[in-house]
Amino acid sequence: ETGVTQSPTHLIKTRGQQVTLRCSSQSGHNTVSWYQQALGQGPQFIFQYYREEENGRGNFPPRFSGLQFPNYSSELNVNALELDDSALYLCASSPGTSTIQYFGAGTRLSVL
Amino acid sequence: GIQVEQSPPDLILQEGANSTLRCNFSDSVNNLQWFHQNPWGQLINLFYIPSGTKQNGRLSATTVATERYSLLYISSSQTTDSGVYFCAVGPPDAGNNRKLIWGLGTSLAVNP
Repeated sequence: ETGVTQSPTHLIKTRGQQVTLRCSSQSGHNTVSWYQQALGQGPQFIFQYYREEENGRGNFPPRFSGLQFPNYSSELNVNALELDDSALYLCASSPGTSTIQYFGAGTRLSVL
Repeated sequence: GIQVEQSPPDLILQEGANSTLRCNFSDSVNNLQWFHQNPWGQLINLFYIPSGTKQNGRLSATTVATERYSLLYISSSQTTDSGVYFCAVGPPDAGNNRKLIWGLGTSLAVNP
């Protein structure tokens, strides 16, 4: 039990739609990162939020966007869904004093 | 950027056997974590070990930062150890960015 919760657990969308995934970070953790994990691959870093500001981004297009709220919970938004967006989306939180990351159970997104 | 290579890619063990998983990385790191991903996708923190040696029950890990590798030892394996083991590293120039760069994992199956 990491204290990081993600919703929903599973989601099915069609190509071109938009999706919002949610993450509630562990209490006291002010940094949230999002990762995409395709089948059979390691997770790929999408972006990170620290105190409501994006402070790092991986190689993902602008249709991947996010928000962090004052309570440090976070959202990942993906517009104009493509078939290749089908993956497990993982949220991780960490305290300001440490680089250790703790992961939620993920949201499995299928794009048809 | 940093490259992370894990070996072996696949491993099959009989219950009770011991194993060693290896992670090589191509540059200095300020963070190294080992994770176990269970069949439902949950990533479980095993070790935060940018250098040195740690032990937790049947698991132990050693990172030799100067030689850019880390080893995860599993002793007296159990069927519940099955899953994918990931090594993930944080680049030293990341500042406050806690992004992790991942290997492809070692898929472990422990048979009764």
